[in-house]
Amino acid sequence: QVQLQQSGPGLVKPSQSLTITCGISGDSVATNRAAWHWIRQSPSRGLEWLGRTGFRSQWFHDYAVSLKSRLTITVDTPKNQISLRLNSVTPEDTAVYYCVRGPGPYEYGMSFDLWGQGTLVTVSS
Amino acid sequence: EVVLTQSPGTLSVAPGEGATLSCMASHNLKSNLAWYQQKPGQAPRLLIYGASTRATGVPARFSGGGFGTEFTLTISSLQSEDSAVYYCQQYEDWYTFGQGTQLQIK
Repeated sequence: QVQLQQSGPGLVKPSQSLTITCGISGDSVATNRAAWHWIRQSPSRGLEWLGRTGFRSQWFHDYAVSLKSRLTITVDTPKNQISLRLNSVTPEDTAVYYCVRGPGPYEYGMSFDLWGQGTLVTVSS
Repeated sequence: EVVLTQSPGTLSVAPGEGATLSCMASHNLKSNLAWYQQKPGQAPRLLIYGASTRATGVPARFSGGGFGTEFTLTISSLQSEDSAVYYCQQYEDWYTFGQGTQLQIK
């Protein structure tokens, strides 16, 4: 049974960076059958896709255009985990952040079938 | 960007009755649409993908339909546990979500 376990800070100050980690159990982060996504949810913006990473002969990373300049998704293969790093945060980045299993570039017809428990991040001084 | 518009915003239905939720897309999605259920304090749960295919473990009283730009989620014989917010999501052109429909069981 595949599970996603998230960890990260609950409070971040404006202009600082936010990092959340997602540990994957029951599957390999380098699987060629899926990709690993980040999605966030806030009352003002609803559910918003942030980006994804996966492995298809080499690692790929795709980001939402609106966040591309501030967002980085990294992979730690020995620990079988991915991380999200969001720079220069503002109160607008306050949200619940989810690690999610979903499609890579060749998994046509696949949606988001497994979600982590979510991490509430508040950006405030 | 593909915009998904869900209606109604809120729906209140008696137990045992049925409910139909709508999702309209700004672009042709073919069948690349999914539905999720979210209860308070929980992550969204996949119900339907490919517009009409139930995900593993989803009861048969949940059914999806539609193609292109108009989609529906129908829930028959409503139970108290179906009280939740329901979201549609497209994966034809990257990924976007609708704003949700709050379903209340009277």
